[in-house]
Amino acid sequence: GQSLEQPSEVTAVEGAIVQINCTYQTSGFNGLFWYQQHAGEAPTFLSYNVLDGLEEKGRFSSFLSRSKGYSYLLLKELQMKDSASYLCAVRSGDYKLSFGAGTTVTVRA
Amino acid sequence: ETGVTQTPRHLVMGMTNKKSLKCEQHLGHNAMYWYKQSAKKPLELMFVYNFKEQTENNSVPSRFSPECPNSSHLFLHLHTLQPEDSALYLCASSQEEGTSGHEQYFGPGTRLTVT
Repeated sequence: GQSLEQPSEVTAVEGAIVQINCTYQTSGFNGLFWYQQHAGEAPTFLSYNVLDGLEEKGRFSSFLSRSKGYSYLLLKELQMKDSASYLCAVRSGDYKLSFGAGTTVTVRA
Repeated sequence: ETGVTQTPRHLVMGMTNKKSLKCEQHLGHNAMYWYKQSAKKPLELMFVYNFKEQTENNSVPSRFSPECPNSSHLFLHLHTLQPEDSALYLCASSQEEGTSGHEQYFGPGTRLTVT
């Protein structure tokens, strides 16, 4: 089966940089996703990595190392609206998507 | 309407009731999913439909019964639920199951409370 680990909570101040790590074990690999979920709302897609390296999308970047079973999401120039839960999810060899428990990011003024 | 919609947004039901959750996607996708999200736990995949055919039943108790009449609509029929079934039920859709690179789009969820 699949297992994913990510920290439960992170707190940072506005304007700071936050890195959320995700380690995974999976049978086969067909990509890793990051989603953002505000309280009471639907998860929304942030990024997708299938090859090693860094994908940058505005203030958010995501990194993948397949050999280490490791990814991180980097949030730069933190804003209050970035307070949310961040979910990593891995698609295994049979194309099933498994999610981590999520990291709650709290941004303080 | 755009994206993925779910109704109702909130539902309180007794253990002997029968109710249904509805999901509709307006994205032209061919795969639809039901997930259960409990506090501090990972999203749990419940069911997958690909081109209206059920391709995944993740050992879900029979008190949950899915129905997919077409690629745009997905239902979850509920009966004789237990209090531990209280959770947020999320519907999602994607272009197609069994291919890489296609992210899932989620609806806002139904917050279910079983009393």
